[in-house]
Amino acid sequence: NAGVTQTPKFQVLKTGQSMTLQCAQDMNHNSMYWYRQDPGMGLRLIYYSASEGTTDKGEVPNGYNVSRLNKREFSLRLESAAPSQTSVYFCATVDRFEGGRRNIQYFGAGTRLSVL
Amino acid sequence: EDQVTQSPEALRLQEGESSSLNCSYTVSGLRGLFWYRQDPGKGPEFLFTLYSAGEEKEKERLKATLTKKESFLHITAPKPEDSATYLCAVQALRYYGGSQGNLIFGKGTKLSVKP
Repeated sequence: NAGVTQTPKFQVLKTGQSMTLQCAQDMNHNSMYWYRQDPGMGLRLIYYSASEGTTDKGEVPNGYNVSRLNKREFSLRLESAAPSQTSVYFCATVDRFEGGRRNIQYFGAGTRLSVL
Repeated sequence: EDQVTQSPEALRLQEGESSSLNCSYTVSGLRGLFWYRQDPGKGPEFLFTLYSAGEEKEKERLKATLTKKESFLHITAPKPEDSATYLCAVQALRYYGGSQGNLIFGKGTKLSVKP
């Protein structure tokens, strides 16, 4: 049971290059999230998908696109990377009402992205 | 505007020296307050959820409490392995349906416990 798997773990891009960050979960959760984490800024929501087939903007969506490919997979795309997008990106999924717990987010290990 | 403020930003303790971390929140109706632990190079790991004022949760050396304006994470007799960044986050009632799981995070408290 891998939980939430993110690929790649590390990536270096040049300004203007594009790339897709992948996230896959085997927890059978409906909702998935993409965050970025910067020093001194905390975790900020980029996009989320409440269920398969739906996506919505979070706090900092500019410069990103997402695709909810199926229930398991949620990808984040940078079409033209900028140095300001250097960050650590986390994917998370949310369970609902399991064993008395509600709306707990479970995180992947992150993708560390540098844009030069 | 919904907001979460954690203090202190960093805390250094000697092994066995108990202390508390603070999480103050301003939210238009609280659905839940969450504590996470984050180790360097890893994703946040869920610790506790608190739903209403007066509620308390415990796990090993950690105890989380909740009032109407803040939450405390009490660490009793900490060990070096408790060193990590502790994150606080809230879910607001104004989010419903598919967005009810959305979290607003604080910036975290970095805890270092020296032997």
